[in-house]
Amino acid sequence: QPALTQPASVSGSPGQSITISCTGASSDVGGYNYVSWYQQHPGKAPKLMIYDVSNRPLGVSNRFSGSKSGNTASLTISGLQAEDEADYYCSSYTSSSTYVFGTGTKVTVL
Amino acid sequence: EVQLVESGGGLVQPGGSLRLSCAASGFTFTNYWMHWVRQAPGKGLVWVSRIKPDGRTTNYADSVKGRFTISRDNTKNTLYLQMNSLGAEDTAVYYCARGAYLDYYLDYWGQGTLATVSS
Repeated sequence: QPALTQPASVSGSPGQSITISCTGASSDVGGYNYVSWYQQHPGKAPKLMIYDVSNRPLGVSNRFSGSKSGNTASLTISGLQAEDEADYYCSSYTSSSTYVFGTGTKVTVL
Repeated sequence: EVQLVESGGGLVQPGGSLRLSCAASGFTFTNYWMHWVRQAPGKGLVWVSRIKPDGRTTNYADSVKGRFTISRDNTKNTLYLQMNSLGAEDTAVYYCARGAYLDYYLDYWGQGTLATVSS
């Protein structure tokens, strides 16, 4: 199962909005509404930010939002803050009853 | 409070074996699928395996199928990953994660344990 494709890096100034794309196939992203997003700070464990394409867990800021169109999912961070600087990974359930992660995107706050 | 604590990582020679453990607490272990995810140094997350609450169903990534075995002891609230025929490409931090109840995402993660395969 090849990794989902994400841009290697995305940057923005404080207060701006950025969007991270996550492209897969009809056997994963396009076939299920089971896309999730994880934030990972250096040396830390991943943290769930979005589940089932667009749902936020309790405690996650509403500046984070998710969407999907066809085989591509997206994570948008609005009102970018310094604490948002981290690596972000998408993930999807697949038709093989497995999971696949994206290649990861490094978000830099300028 | 949900807690997942991995252990068992360390240095092993190529071709060797290692068994990782993940002690779970703060939730009803027998209600949840459990997963292993790994991350090679400086690289991205890679899903490895999952196991059903009753232990009877397992799934694996192609890269570990036939070499790794996931299991659980529901009497001890502990998840395991037996890793055999290890190669340098298996060097990674291994995270234990809980699968969301009746859903398809990972809602809680441990801090990880590092397995290093080197001679």
